[in-house]
Amino acid sequence: QSALTQPASVSGSPGQSITISCTGTSRDVGDYNYVSWYQQHSGKAPKLLIYDVSSRPSGLSDRFSGAKSGNTASLTISGLQAEDEADYYCSSYTSSSTYVFGTGTKVTVL
Amino acid sequence: QVQLQESGPGLVRPSETLSLTCSVSGDSIGSGYYWAWMRQPPGKGLEWIGSVFFGGTTYYNPSLKSRVTISVNTSKNQFSLRLTSVTAADTAVYYCAKGSLFHAGWFDPWGQGTLVTVSS
Repeated sequence: QSALTQPASVSGSPGQSITISCTGTSRDVGDYNYVSWYQQHSGKAPKLLIYDVSSRPSGLSDRFSGAKSGNTASLTISGLQAEDEADYYCSSYTSSSTYVFGTGTKVTVL
Repeated sequence: QVQLQESGPGLVRPSETLSLTCSVSGDSIGSGYYWAWMRQPPGKGLEWIGSVFFGGTTYYNPSLKSRVTISVNTSKNQFSLRLTSVTAADTAVYYCAKGSLFHAGWFDPWGQGTLVTVSS
């Protein structure tokens, strides 16, 4: 199974909105609403941001939102803050009853 | 609050077996959720290794399936990872995580991770 495709890096100024794409196939992202997003600060464990394409865990900031269209999912961070500087990974359940992660996107706050 | 903690050797010799344990607190391994292992080579992305249900059902990454075994110890509230015939390519930070009620879903929370280096 091939990793989902994400842009290597995305940057934005404080207060701006950025969107990270996650492109898969009809055997994963396109076929299931089991897309999740994780934030990973340097040297730390990943943290769940979004599950089931667009649901947020309890207590998580509503600045993070998810969506999906066809084989591509996306994560939008609005009101970008310095603390949002991290690596972001998408993940999808697949038709083989496995999981595949994205290639990862480094977000830089200018 | 659920917490997970990985433990095991930080150094494994090539061709030997990597064994890690994940200790769960704040929840029961038998609560009906899936439990998973992921790994991340230094400077690289995340890779799902496999998932286990307390009843013994397992799912593995096809690329690792021939070398991986994930098992549950309900009496100790732990689950374990065993990876045989390791090479330098298996050097990574290994994470354990709680999965969702059904196999399909998400992983939350994650343990802090443990670095395993394969070297002679």
